[in-house]
Amino acid sequence: KAGVTQTPRYLIKTRGQQVTLSCSPISGHRSVSWYQQTPGQGLQFLFEYFSETQRNKGNFPGRFSGRQFSNSRSEMNVSTLELGDSALYLCASSRKPVHSAGRETQYFGPGTRLLVL
Amino acid sequence: GQNIDQPTEMTATEGAIVQINCTYQTSGFNGLFWYQQHAGEAPTFLSYNVLDGLEEKGRFSSFLSRSKGYSYLLLKELQMKDSASYLCAVREGNNDMRFGAGTRLTVKP
Repeated sequence: KAGVTQTPRYLIKTRGQQVTLSCSPISGHRSVSWYQQTPGQGLQFLFEYFSETQRNKGNFPGRFSGRQFSNSRSEMNVSTLELGDSALYLCASSRKPVHSAGRETQYFGPGTRLLVL
Repeated sequence: GQNIDQPTEMTATEGAIVQINCTYQTSGFNGLFWYQQHAGEAPTFLSYNVLDGLEEKGRFSSFLSRSKGYSYLLLKELQMKDSASYLCAVREGNNDMRFGAGTRLTVKP
């Protein structure tokens, strides 16, 4: 079974631009969560989608948005990029929503490393 | 405030035992996870605790005390490949996942 895939793997943008990142979950997984990882802050939760609906949202500004399609693939968009948005963006999938997953864990993709200049 | 604290770095010797501690103060508690993350790679699941006590899985064990807001990950018979960052994560009462900053473990020969 293929794992979680994310595209692109690396991206360089300039301040003020916008970016769209893509995540394809493991087949059969309907929950996709997005995280931002930086050396200083660690992993921070952005949002979770399940069955095309946003279930939870972390403490990030409205510049960060996402969506999920009927095939469970998800996209994350960041508008008006700032230097501080440089980070590794990870998505994770699971069969159930995070809140009812119990022991079931999330499986992480390899991430998209975004550099904002 | 809400915090998940773990040591930033630890060093241990191949073949030894190391314990990585995690303390948390979160809004509610619905389970604690440990993940391993090698440099440049995605986190991978190691263990899950929701009840007090010890969960053992091969060379890795994880302990939880909910009353103390405390967990530890125990790694036995350390191998060089265990050099990685270890992330403690708590599923909060509102079901958000909150991660610690991670503990970078270096295993030396």
